[in-house]
Amino acid sequence: DGGITQSPKYLFRKEGQNVTLSCEQNLNHDAMYWYRQDPGQGLRLIYYSQIVNDFQKGDIAEGYSVSREKKESFPLTVTSAQKNPTAFYLCAGSSSGANVLTFGAGSRLTVL
Amino acid sequence: DAKTTQPPSMDCAEGRAANLPCNHSTISGNEYVYWYRQIHSQGPQYIIHGLKNNETNEMASLIITEDRKSSTLILPHATLRDTAVYYCIVRMPGEAGNMLTFGGGTRLMVKP
Repeated sequence: DGGITQSPKYLFRKEGQNVTLSCEQNLNHDAMYWYRQDPGQGLRLIYYSQIVNDFQKGDIAEGYSVSREKKESFPLTVTSAQKNPTAFYLCAGSSSGANVLTFGAGSRLTVL
Repeated sequence: DAKTTQPPSMDCAEGRAANLPCNHSTISGNEYVYWYRQIHSQGPQYIIHGLKNNETNEMASLIITEDRKSSTLILPHATLRDTAVYYCIVRMPGEAGNMLTFGGGTRLMVKP
C-alpha cells in the first residue's frame, strides 16, 4: 500500500537529548512537510522540502533540523534547543504542482 | 494573518446533514478552497477542494458562494465516524511554505 509512514508512533525523551523522527513515503511525492500540533490547536509548519537536497524553514523551525538526501525520506530531528518539544508531529507529502497533502499517522513525542 | 475563519465547534445529529461554514473573504482569484478533516490523534485526511464551482465527491459536497468569499462543506448524512476537526484552507495549486499552515478548524461532534 502506498502512503506516508512515520515512526515511532510514540517516543519519550529526556530533556537535553536530541531525537529523530522518521518519515518515509512510497508515493513518489516531490514535496514533503513536517508539522507540529499542540493539544487543541491547528497544525504549524516546521520545515518543508520541494526537491532532494533542498529544504525551507516554516513558521516554527527553531530547535528543529531536517535532511532530504533521498526523495523517499525526510527525517526530522528535534534538538535540545527546542524548549517545548512535547507535541504531536505530522509528516505530509504532495506531488509537484499538486494540491492535495497526504499525511502520515503522526508521532507523539513526550519529553520527561 | 488568518486566511480563513471557521466556528470552533458544531454539533450534528446522526443521519442529518452537517453544514460546516468557512469564511475566506480575502481569497485571491487563483486560490482554491480545500477541506481536510482530522479524527482524534490521527493525521489529517483530504476531503474535497474547489475553485468557484460547486464540487461533490463520495465524501462530501462543497458549495462556494458566487463572490468566493465563503464556502460550506456539506456531509449529507453524518455518522458518528464523521466526528472530527474539519479544516478549511485556501492556497494556490502547488503552493508551499507558510501558506500551508492549518488554523484551528471546526470541531464537529455527531451525536446519536
